[in-house]
Amino acid sequence: EVQLVESGGGLVQPGRSLRVSCRASGFTFDDYAMSWFRRAPGKGLEWVGFIRSKAYGGTTAYAASVKGRFTISRDDSRSIAYLQMSSLETEDTAVFYCGRSMSGFGELSVDYWGQGTLVTVSS
Amino acid sequence: QSVLTQPPSASGTPGQGVTISCSGSSSNIGTNYVYWYQQLPGTAPKLLIYRNDQRPSGVPDRFSGSKSGTSASLAISGLRSEDEADYYCAAWDDSLSGLFGGGTKLTVL
Repeated sequence: EVQLVESGGGLVQPGRSLRVSCRASGFTFDDYAMSWFRRAPGKGLEWVGFIRSKAYGGTTAYAASVKGRFTISRDDSRSIAYLQMSSLETEDTAVFYCGRSMSGFGELSVDYWGQGTLVTVSS
Repeated sequence: QSVLTQPPSASGTPGQGVTISCSGSSSNIGTNYVYWYQQLPGTAPKLLIYRNDQRPSGVPDRFSGSKSGTSASLAISGLRSEDEADYYCAAWDDSLSGLFGGGTKLTVL
């Protein structure tokens, strides 16, 4: 059974950093791109970015709103994807979701999702 | 304001059909695939349609997607109370960014 479990969310002050993790199981992690999304309170879904599988170069792409502040990485040996967030702003407050893309390339077709982890940026 | 435009709300009665539209531009829907997601309250999103009109296994055929030019639509037939949720369209943009519509809240009356 495919499972994705996020962890690492919590309360953080503006300007600080936080890393959230997505631990995967039930599939060959190396073969798939991993994506991150968020949903801020009262807002809609937003694509944050993805990291392709090593077969596609492990390249990353980010939304303009987070580019330069957020970094997505992966540890295939441990089947974990990471979202490193720095220079956090109150507008980054959201539930963050990781998801498995249907291929290693990183389309927007995410067929499995984690339960989400809440990140609250507040002083 | 989202680059992909959806109506904020839609409604229908059980058994009826409803269509949700998604309007974009030549740099996103016009040249790339469209995806549709359903998000029930308090849960993670669920992929309903990928590559314009493909259904993942397990998604009922009551849900169908289509695309024409720079617009796309999600049609739901035989509405059920459990279909009450937020629906999002998504598409890749040639500026190398993923885009979501603002979401449509579907109410089953």
